[in-house]
Amino acid sequence: SAVISQKPSRDICQRGTSLTIQCQVDSQVTMMFWYRQQPGQSLTLIATANQGSEATYESGFVIDKFPISRPNLTFSTLTVSNMSPEDSSIYLCSVAREFDTGELFFGEGSRLTVL
Amino acid sequence: KQEVTQIPAALSVPEGENLVLNCSFTDSAIYNLQWFRQDPGKGLTSLLLIQSSQREQTSGRLNASLDKSSGRSTLYIAASQPGDSATYLCAVPPTFGRGTSLIVHP
Repeated sequence: SAVISQKPSRDICQRGTSLTIQCQVDSQVTMMFWYRQQPGQSLTLIATANQGSEATYESGFVIDKFPISRPNLTFSTLTVSNMSPEDSSIYLCSVAREFDTGELFFGEGSRLTVL
Repeated sequence: KQEVTQIPAALSVPEGENLVLNCSFTDSAIYNLQWFRQDPGKGLTSLLLIQSSQREQTSGRLNASLDKSSGRSTLYIAASQPGDSATYLCAVPPTFGRGTSLIVHP
């Protein structure tokens, strides 16, 4: 298994500001993903965080809005930029040890409320 | 692009019933399939992981099957209990279905 720590666990933010969420894993992993879960919805993949290079974004998500860093194999950050109330969601970090057979593990998530 | 569909979207049953939750996926070239449980306001708990070479996995009262050729997986819950009430999510990593919301009433 993998133990994932996400910070902050929750935050209340003002419209127009930006917030950075951190994801720390207790061991090296190959794959790291960022998801968004809007109220009452399932998980939507935002991007795959690639170590040492630009993240791979899913359709509908752009780097200017959701910049992602992954400086090493155990740490990643997601920034939600220029927030609006529509960005109020739970943001989850997920990891898999291997690309092909890896089980997904999740952090507890970061609950953002934008006023 | 992989798409994952779960049926039914919601299910309400009396305690003791055996349940089948369905998951289908469009691209059969998968590495594995994973079932999760999510309680309201909580994170995701992994229930079962089925590798592409496997046909099924069992954990306690839970059994998950995988048929790659038809793009289907089922999660079977035996003798359901009120504590099983939660949303069940099927994932063909990294893609998730919309989930099945289950209520088991006493």
